[in-house]
Amino acid sequence: SQQGEEDPQALSIQEGENATMNCSYKTSINNLQWYRQNSGRGLVHLILIRSNEREKHSGRLRVTLDTSKKSSSLLITASRAADTASYFCATVNSGSGNTGKLIFGQGTTLQVKP
Amino acid sequence: NAGVTQTPKFRVLKTGQSMTLLCAQDMNHEYMYWYRQDPGMGLRLIHYSVGEGTTAKGEVPDGYNVSRLKKQNFLLGLESAAPSQTSVYFCASSPTGEGNIQYFGAGTRLSVL
Repeated sequence: SQQGEEDPQALSIQEGENATMNCSYKTSINNLQWYRQNSGRGLVHLILIRSNEREKHSGRLRVTLDTSKKSSSLLITASRAADTASYFCATVNSGSGNTGKLIFGQGTTLQVKP
Repeated sequence: NAGVTQTPKFRVLKTGQSMTLLCAQDMNHEYMYWYRQDPGMGLRLIHYSVGEGTTAKGEVPDGYNVSRLKKQNFLLGLESAAPSQTSVYFCASSPTGEGNIQYFGAGTRLSVL
């Protein structure tokens, strides 16, 4: 069964505003990743945070990880219309061995209005 | 650099027909994966491979078979298609290390009537 639960399922904001998406998971992880999917396209990796890290930045993206609460958040600052997409969290579980398997959440659909 | 290429992009099948989806990667990645994506369900892992000649079941393997005869190719087969297999199929590959970041193809949209 899928592990990640994302909140909210859908988010609509104005250009320039910040967007925050949350992800919860159920088991111990090695790392947590965020991916973006534009409509009709494949997923693109955005950022990875390891289980021993609490915060990570990449450009306008900020990811936090709270392993005690088994949750993560993705913040997109100063959003642009081009950020309109679906965003997925995915975890590499501690027990997955050398398989590289990812467990995906259901995703958050973000709409940024010009 | 093509990355991960999936063929075909679209396909319509009748119930009971068979087909093979091809995934090719030119990044020399060891790991390859097949997912299906259904509305509101995120991505679910069908089968995966950790190297040439190896395959393993994922979360939803029933009704599918796979083969990895060459390192760069990962084939997904549907022996007898069912309407429940209507979905968008994604292939991904990953190098060892690098935290298992996966690189995705553009997807195959399959309808089974």
